[in-house]
Amino acid sequence: DQQVKQNSPSLSVQEGRISILNCDYTNSMFDYFLWYKKYPAEGPTFLISISSIKDKNEDGRFTVFLNKSAKHLSLHIVPSQPGDSAVYFCAASEGNTGKLIFGQGTTLQVKP
Amino acid sequence: EAGVVQSPRYKIIEKKQPVAFWCNPISGHNTLYWYLQNLGQGPELLIRYENEEAVDDSQLPKDRFSAERLKGVDSTLKIQPAELGDSAVYLCASSLFHGELFFGEGSRLTVL
Repeated sequence: DQQVKQNSPSLSVQEGRISILNCDYTNSMFDYFLWYKKYPAEGPTFLISISSIKDKNEDGRFTVFLNKSAKHLSLHIVPSQPGDSAVYFCAASEGNTGKLIFGQGTTLQVKP
Repeated sequence: EAGVVQSPRYKIIEKKQPVAFWCNPISGHNTLYWYLQNLGQGPELLIRYENEEAVDDSQLPKDRFSAERLKGVDSTLKIQPAELGDSAVYLCASSLFHGELFFGEGSRLTVL
């Protein structure tokens, strides 16, 4: 069973507009959520995270929103830039297990 | 500061042959992870080490996969014998504390 789901395999947006990537999870024990970005032939790199005690975390152009009641989080990128084109993975962990469960990824394409 | 180093980057072998992947984590990172990433999927945890101890190897197919982390620094993941379905990217990651993982570039395995 997929505990972390990214239901949109791909997303295409125009440069300068907002990109919204979504992620749903099923395990209510998850208390820490992260977004990773991956370019081809590279490993995933950490982008932004949020603890379950918060509902929003912002870092420059990137904002992550957490809706615990809906078990849903989203990543907003604004404004989107062509260099943001990559695969974005949502990940979640429970307590101090140190184990990250990843979603399937969403491929973002930002068109100039 | 050097990142997580993995080798080889690419490996092509015939089925039933053995293969080994090496990982050197970021200096000072006690926790080391091996993840498997199939095409179009998110990374899936194979094994997690805290120093020399494998604290989570529940997802490691122990009939053909083995791993070690001698002296609590670098690690080796071995597959013997390899099967066609083992073709994937093998990612190593390390962390200083639970939460943010730093990934290497991965080792892409092709089994013919």
